[in-house]
Amino acid sequence: GENVEQHPSTLSVQEGDSAVIKCTYSDSASNYFPWYKQELGKGPQLIIDIRSNVGEKKDQRIAVTLNKTAKHFSLHITETQPEDSAVYFCAASDRATSYGKLTFGQGTILTVHP
Amino acid sequence: NAGVTQTPKFRILKIGQSMTLQCTQDMNHNYMYWYRQDPGMGLKLIYYSVGAGITDKGEVPNGYNVSRSTTEDFPLRLELAAPSQTSVYFCASGGMIAPNEQFFGPGTRLTVL
Repeated sequence: GENVEQHPSTLSVQEGDSAVIKCTYSDSASNYFPWYKQELGKGPQLIIDIRSNVGEKKDQRIAVTLNKTAKHFSLHITETQPEDSAVYFCAASDRATSYGKLTFGQGTILTVHP
Repeated sequence: NAGVTQTPKFRILKIGQSMTLQCTQDMNHNYMYWYRQDPGMGLKLIYYSVGAGITDKGEVPNGYNVSRSTTEDFPLRLELAAPSQTSVYFCASGGMIAPNEQFFGPGTRLTVL
């Protein structure tokens, strides 16, 4: 089955700096890669996703890149703000055959210091 | 739209007790999922359902049971609770076209003592 590794486990940055979180996956059949943000005491919320026919996707201050050959994808947050502090999870899935099942990485605790 | 709702928010059980975690969604989603979240371990899939009357095991199903009698509800049953089931439980749902794009409930924090 799919295995997703996420690094780093914790990340501390100053407000205004950039933050990068990286994930690798094992199953070459995976073709959908979402990122979730989990604030304290809440459920994960989908913030951005990328499909395997796209190399990069941007949404304001966040972007995701995908390298299918190397089987890794990354989340980039620019101009970080204190409200970006949360736990971020990457995930991988095969849209065609998995019935929507997601395999998650271990999570990254991002802290943005004012 | 309330989205995905879960009850209770918190629960403490004694070893050997049973309980049902409730999950309801109002988005008419066919797909529903139960995950557990342990510290530093990400989310692990317990059970999932592709529609009313259809359920299947995920990665960590032992000690749990589910049912799906309606599109809206997907309860998770714990029989004979064990300390290893101490965790935060999340229910999620996804639509027919893109079930991978999942909407999560707020979670139930369960402690088994």
